[in-house]
Amino acid sequence: EDQVTQSPEALRLQEGESSSLNCSYTVSGLRGLFWYRQDPGKGPEFLFTLYSAGEEKEKERLKATLTKKESFLHITAPKPEDSATYLCAVTLMEYGNKLVFGAGTILRVKS
Amino acid sequence: GAGVSQSPSNKVTEKGKDVELRCDPISGHTALYWYRQSLGQGLEFLIYFQGNSAPDKSGLPSDRFSAERTGGSVSTLTIQRTQQEDSAVYLCASRASGTYEQYFGPGTRLTVT
Repeated sequence: EDQVTQSPEALRLQEGESSSLNCSYTVSGLRGLFWYRQDPGKGPEFLFTLYSAGEEKEKERLKATLTKKESFLHITAPKPEDSATYLCAVTLMEYGNKLVFGAGTILRVKS
Repeated sequence: GAGVSQSPSNKVTEKGKDVELRCDPISGHTALYWYRQSLGQGLEFLIYFQGNSAPDKSGLPSDRFSAERTGGSVSTLTIQRTQQEDSAVYLCASRASGTYEQYFGPGTRLTVT
């Protein structure tokens, strides 16, 4: 069964304390891996797409990396406004282009 | 430019009533998706429209759920005879042809009492 697992479920950081979120997947025929940010009461906001092992993408304090079985979202010197739920999703060749989501990591950054 | 819009933002309905949820995708996006987000279940795919092709309905949980997309643009998700387990946030996303990124609307929070 295709699965996307995110860890940890929740993460509390102090402002400036860098860390990483993990997304592991057991799927066949990966077409792409996506990271989204979701604030309470809002829809997911697109962050990154990764297509192949070794690929990296950066945006402000966030950097996403991809290996053959997992992806990391690195957060460098986070600020309170980075607090949100971060969702990982994959799209598979056999499923067309629908997204299969992980359960998400709830990030809280305290000042 | 304008993003994906959804209406209503909140809907409270009584068990057994029918509801219609609307999605207006990003202009020019040919693909449209509906997902459901509920506590304990995460985000689940419901249905996918691509141009004039037959929709992929493989994620619809029961025959009480249906959706249509008129004129290749606006889509309506209909839930008939609502049940309490239908309570969730219903999210719509759209995607441009030749790309893989999906852009989500703000969602409709459905509460069935």
